[in-house]
Amino acid sequence: QVTLKESGPVLVKPTETLTLTCTVSGFSLRTARMVVSWIRQTPGQAPEWLAHIFSNDEKAYSTSLKNRLSISKDIGTGQVVLTMTNMDPVDTATYYCARMDMAPIKFDFWGQGMLVTVSS
Amino acid sequence: DIQMTQSPSTLSASVGDRVTITCRASQNINNWLAWYQQKPGKAPKVLIYKASSLESGVPSRFSGSGSGTEFTLTISSLQLDDFATYYCQQYNSYSGITFGQGTRLDI
Repeated sequence: QVTLKESGPVLVKPTETLTLTCTVSGFSLRTARMVVSWIRQTPGQAPEWLAHIFSNDEKAYSTSLKNRLSISKDIGTGQVVLTMTNMDPVDTATYYCARMDMAPIKFDFWGQGMLVTVSS
Repeated sequence: DIQMTQSPSTLSASVGDRVTITCRASQNINNWLAWYQQKPGKAPKVLIYKASSLESGVPSRFSGSGSGTEFTLTISSLQLDDFATYYCQQYNSYSGITFGQGTRLDI
């Protein structure tokens, strides 16, 4: 049974760095066709893809946010970590991690999401 | 980046209706397009992948078509459970992933 679960702070201050962890189970981060992505969504808006990491450690980032993002993984613990620097109130959103099956391409499993609020 | 434009943004329909949602890509994405359904407070759920393939467990009243830059999601006979927001999503190995802005399907 595949599951993903997000964890991290629910409240961060402006200019701080956000660190989110996605803990996966039911599949391995070594599996060649599986990619773990971070996606965020504000109420009433479309999901916004942030970053993903492949089994071979190749990474990709949103063009608009790439200067603020970093993604990494730990195969042993089954965790994917996203850091986002210089947080701003406009970054307040629900943050999801999701598994993308690359063959074919679809987000087939999602975490429940966690609301992160940026406020002083 | 590849932009995805969905229409309409809101759609009002009744149980039993046939509805179609359109998604246009700003450049050719071949058939690397998926459709998701999202209900309030929940993560999106995949319905269709590779433009026209039905995800396992999804009712057959959902179907997808298209290739290149124009795609459609059709629900052949609306059920109460289908009233939700729908998003298209593309993947491109160079520019990443983008979602359409969504279509809210209201009763």
